[in-house]
Amino acid sequence: GIQVEQSPPDLILQEGANSTLRCNFSDSVNNLQWFHQNPWGQLINLFYIPSGTKQNGRLSATTVATERYSLLYISSSQTTDSGVYFCAVAGRGSTLGRLYFGRGTQLTVWP
Amino acid sequence: SAVISQKPSRDICQRGTSLTIQCQVDSQVTMMFWYRQQPGQSLTLIATANQGSEATYESGFVIDKFPISRPNLTFSTLTVSNMSPEDSSIYLCSVASRQGYEQYFGPGTRLTVT
Repeated sequence: GIQVEQSPPDLILQEGANSTLRCNFSDSVNNLQWFHQNPWGQLINLFYIPSGTKQNGRLSATTVATERYSLLYISSSQTTDSGVYFCAVAGRGSTLGRLYFGRGTQLTVWP
Repeated sequence: SAVISQKPSRDICQRGTSLTIQCQVDSQVTMMFWYRQQPGQSLTLIATANQGSEATYESGFVIDKFPISRPNLTFSTLTVSNMSPEDSSIYLCSVASRQGYEQYFGPGTRLTVT
């Protein structure tokens, strides 16, 4: 299956700071998603971004499919941004559409 | 986007028993998936459940331990059988309208086995 590597594994910020999370993947993909898992375990869809750039408020994401990486930008971070951020991909060669998840980035934002 | 509900939201079960988790979607979807997230870990796919065919299990997961039903395009169940403490995890279902399309996740079922 596809290998998905996320960095950094842990990130501690003060409120108001900016951050960049990275996701590298090992093969061509037809789906790449970023999720935020809140403290209750719910996975919140942030971006569906197999290629290109998208923005949603303080969050934006860029995927460079030819170079097999994606970046998630968080600006002016808030305490509510705390949680685990997962990158997940589905391989272009996969017939089932299953997602392969990275290990996640644990983000902690202090007031 | 799809709205997905799961029942139960959490449960505490005794070793050796079985639990059936339900996943209900508010619209018809072709593809449904069941994932497991062990404490402090990432998500691992258990199986893909497409209506009208047998579920397809990932390596390390077997039908006798995790039987799945998919009776229609809006509903699926996952049973965790003969449970042991190692089965304590969050179990999540997800759906996609088509391969390669955005996937949406249910709120999860937090299972503790004592």
